[in-house]
Amino acid sequence: DTGVSQNPRHKITKRGQNVTFRCDPISEHNRLYWYRQTLGQGPEFLTYFQNEAQLEKSRLLSDRFSAERPKGSFSTLEIQRTEQGDSAMYLCASSPPILAGAYEQYFGPGTRLTVT
Amino acid sequence: DQQVKQNSPSLSVQEGRISILNCDYTNSMFDYFLWYKKYPAEGPTFLISISSIKDKNEDGRFTVFLNKSAKHLSLHIVPSQPGDSAVYFCAASTTSYDKVIFGPGTSLSVIP
Repeated sequence: DTGVSQNPRHKITKRGQNVTFRCDPISEHNRLYWYRQTLGQGPEFLTYFQNEAQLEKSRLLSDRFSAERPKGSFSTLEIQRTEQGDSAMYLCASSPPILAGAYEQYFGPGTRLTVT
Repeated sequence: DQQVKQNSPSLSVQEGRISILNCDYTNSMFDYFLWYKKYPAEGPTFLISISSIKDKNEDGRFTVFLNKSAKHLSLHIVPSQPGDSAVYFCAASTTSYDKVIFGPGTSLSVIP
């Protein structure tokens, strides 16, 4: 399967702990996005990379959140000092270079975080 | 402030009939619109898109209509099939490769 993969699929953690999620995009895709989805809502944009450069961060991304994409390949999203309000599905998406002429974002299955 | 709105949380349609899902947006800077479908425990799957220079785009059973003056778009599925039962998200962006702003979704049930 050459789609977007995310690990872990589920994470249960205690409030105050740090968690890290990983996203592996489709191999030829240079753009990578992180979204967060809570129950009954659509995905909300968190941050966006083009290659290794983080081009935009949402105001939803507090100082406790950090994302990296070393070498422009996989990406990690870390949440420090988790709070119960961080419980959500964290979705990663990737899309091909603009010149490829296709613009849709391909989503992974998500990582469901539960903070107890 | 919700920039993309889907005012119908759910919709039920008989198999074989037309499903019409509606979406309204407030940001006049949006010029690229998408529909995604989501099954439980899976990420959203791209369905169809439309650029603001068009008013209609068709792909098989799926057609998206865009009315820029009304800031309204709709997705038509005809004929509807039970496998179409899913949550449908309307989404928009200011360019085709920018971050996407999603609506809250409409849960479609196609009844056999």
